[in-house]
This record gives sequence, structure tokens and C-alpha cells, in this order.
Amino acid sequence: KQEVTQIPAALSVPEGENLVLNCSFTDSAIYNLQWFRQDPGKGLTSLLLIQSSQREQTSGRLNASLDKSSGRSTLYIAASQPGDSATYLCAVRRAGNMLTFGGGTRLMVKP
Amino acid sequence: SQTIHQWPATLVQPVGSPLSLECTVEGTSNPNLYWYRQAAGRGLQLLFYSVGIGQISSEVPQNLSASRPQDRQFILSSKKLLLSDSGFYLCAWSAQGQPQHFGDGTRLSIL
Repeated sequence: KQEVTQIPAALSVPEGENLVLNCSFTDSAIYNLQWFRQDPGKGLTSLLLIQSSQREQTSGRLNASLDKSSGRSTLYIAASQPGDSATYLCAVRRAGNMLTFGGGTRLMVKP
Repeated sequence: SQTIHQWPATLVQPVGSPLSLECTVEGTSNPNLYWYRQAAGRGLQLLFYSVGIGQISSEVPQNLSASRPQDRQFILSSKKLLLSDSGFYLCAWSAQGQPQHFGDGTRLSIL
């Protein structure tokens, strides 16, 4: 059974810092891995999707990497801003287009 | 463009009462549809998914049921709510093999 773990569970940083969020999964037989952002009381917004054959994806200040063999992904946020404060979720896609989610990292960026 | 709507946004129900949460998708046909629950401080857990009208698969045994009476309508129900049914419920849709898109969620509180 696939298990997805995110570390740390919560993170507080001053504005301007570069930071790394970690995601690990137990079964490397995945189709892709996706990073989402969730604002309090809201749904999920997709940030980056990495196919299983890819190593990384970039969008603006965000860079996500994937090491399928070791079961790890990182989300790098450059020059963090208060507007980046949210919960970040990673999810791996398995057969049948099912997603297994991690518990999330709650990020607070202080001005 | 495709949109997904969930309602209500917030619901407070007494223990033992029935439940009906509705999700509709516009701008696409024959989508895959999903219901997730997010308990406080935890990741998203897939409850049900559907690949077509009347076709429902359950991921975990529970007090809830789902139905898909129309192509773009997905309903989450319960005959008698339990305290443990409290949480944030998210509906999502996807085209076959494509990323999932999430609604804004329903916050369900059981008293």
C-alpha cells in the first residue's frame, strides 16, 4: 500500500528565504507526482506535476524534483513571500488515476 | 472552460441526521469524479471515485455512500451522521489520465 509522508509538518520562515519541502513515498511504481497548494478552508490548486520519467519541473519561483528510485520529491521555493503562506500537499498518482496524498506542510512566511 | 461546483460551502449537522453534498462539473463530458475527506491536521483520503454514470467505487469502508445520477453530478450521502464524519470534503474531476481539478470544498461539522 502506497504511503506518502511530508516533512516538516509545519514551517515558519522570514520573508525572502529560500526553502525546501520534502515528500517521500514508499512505492516507486508511480505515474506522476503532483504538488498542490491549499489555502485555509479552500480547495487545492495544482502547482507542478512531474511525470515519472522526468527529474524536475519549474514554474516561476517554484522548482520540484523527483527521484523515483529513492521515493523522494522536493519542492523548492525561492525568495519566499508572505503570499506563499499556505499548506503544500504532494500526491502520487497510481493506477486508475488515483491520487495518494501526504499529510501536508503548513508554511508560514513572516513579513 | 471546465468548472467544478460544490455546495454547500459550510454545513453544521446534528449526530444522526442525514447528509447530502452535491458536486457538479461543467464544460466536459464523461469525467472521472472523486470524493475526498480531509480530517483536521491530516491529508486527503479518497472516499469514492466514479468513471461513469452509476459506477461507484469505494476506497474505504465507512458510514457514507456516493451516487452519480447524471454524467456530471456526484453526490455524497449518509443516512445517519457520526461525529467522526466531521471534516472538509472535496470533490474533484479529471479527464481520463489527466490531472485532477478540485472544487472549493464543504466544511462539515457534526454536533
